[in-house]
Amino acid sequence: EAQVTQNPRYLITVTGKKLTVTCSQNMNHEYMSWYRQDPGLGLRQIYYSMNVEVTDKGDVPEGYKVSRKEKRNFPLILESPSPNQTSLYFCASSAGTGGNSPLHFGNGTRLTVT
Amino acid sequence: GESVGLHLPTLSVQEGDNSIINCAYSNSASDYFIWYKQESGKGPQFIIDIRSNMDKRQGQRVTVLLNKTVKHLSLQIAATQPGDSAVYFCAENPPERDDKIIFGKGTRLHILP
Repeated sequence: EAQVTQNPRYLITVTGKKLTVTCSQNMNHEYMSWYRQDPGLGLRQIYYSMNVEVTDKGDVPEGYKVSRKEKRNFPLILESPSPNQTSLYFCASSAGTGGNSPLHFGNGTRLTVT
Repeated sequence: GESVGLHLPTLSVQEGDNSIINCAYSNSASDYFIWYKQESGKGPQFIIDIRSNMDKRQGQRVTVLLNKTVKHLSLQIAATQPGDSAVYFCAENPPERDDKIIFGKGTRLHILP
């Protein structure tokens, strides 16, 4: 089954404790992206990647890092999480360039930073 | 500016009736539009898309209409079912950025029994 898999689904952590949210897709997509979803603000792009070893900032990249060492994986790294990073995070991939074909989303990671 | 808006944050529809969800977009040069459905506890799911060279596109029980004159996009769901309860997002691809999609805030569709 074609899918985007994120882990974990739920994560509670404390301020400053580094964490990684993993994302993997099995569709051989070149484009991958991370979004955060907050009430009243909708989906906002954090980082995206057009291909292996190519990453770019989205609209809200501060406090986040990503890497794209393999085509299928695109982990999101929070080096020093803060409470304002409490949010619902989605990873997505696309067969196109990200803006010209549908995105396939994972089921989300709900992060709480205390 | 870059924004994709929605006319109604919540829409309640009787089961079996048709639903119409509206979306206004701000960039008249945007050339690709998508509707997503997000059910509780899940990620957004692609429903249907349309390119700017079309006015209408039909899928299974869904139709997307694009009115470029007034920068308006709508999603029509025929014979609404309980499983259609979700938040629906429109999204647009702004011009000269084939790597970007801008999402609207979403409309919650509530199905009345």
